[in-house]
Amino acid sequence: SQQGEEDPQALSIQEGENATMNCSYKTSINNLQWYRQNSGRGLVHLILIRSNEREKHSGRLRVTLDTSKKSSSLLITASRAADTASYFCATVPRGGGNKLTFGTGTQLKVEL
Amino acid sequence: SQTIHQWPATLVQPVGSPLSLECTVEGTSNPNLYWYRQAAGRGLQLLFYSVGIGQISSEVPQNLSASRPQDRQFILSSKKLLLSDSGFYLCAWSVLGPYGYTFGSGTRLTVV
Repeated sequence: SQQGEEDPQALSIQEGENATMNCSYKTSINNLQWYRQNSGRGLVHLILIRSNEREKHSGRLRVTLDTSKKSSSLLITASRAADTASYFCATVPRGGGNKLTFGTGTQLKVEL
Repeated sequence: SQTIHQWPATLVQPVGSPLSLECTVEGTSNPNLYWYRQAAGRGLQLLFYSVGIGQISSEVPQNLSASRPQDRQFILSSKKLLLSDSGFYLCAWSVLGPYGYTFGSGTRLTVV
């Protein structure tokens, strides 16, 4: 079953703009992760945020986590055409071992 | 360095034929191993995971099975494929703790 739901399902922006994607989940978590998938390829891990963290940065990526609202957001600043991909959030449930449950993804298109 | 190999990249099989997809991991010992399936334009569904040799947990009832004959080898099989088995199959590994998954490049299976 899908734990997370990403919003929006699709996003189209111009190069240089910021892209924000949101994720909501249902159960208590140990951590939340964001992945990127280029068309027809495997997923690449971008960033992990633990349940006791509220914000994390990695390069042009900024992730926030609000456990009271069971939601997270991924911000990509100064987007580039090469950022075009699908982005998925995934959660490790509290007490659920190390199994990741993925959301449905956001398709991001960055146009020149 | 740690790598994961998954093959073949593309496979077209007739209904009723058997299936064997192989995944091997290098550069790590005793990893957790996972098989996911991704339907077109959708998120990932966890099919099987393994925490050790011969230890397989199935997440959803289906026409598929998995085996782990060696520490770093994970095999996805079917005796008789169905049309509904078509999809993009991804192998991944992780270690315990707040770390991301490493995914293989995927196998696109089309059952005709």
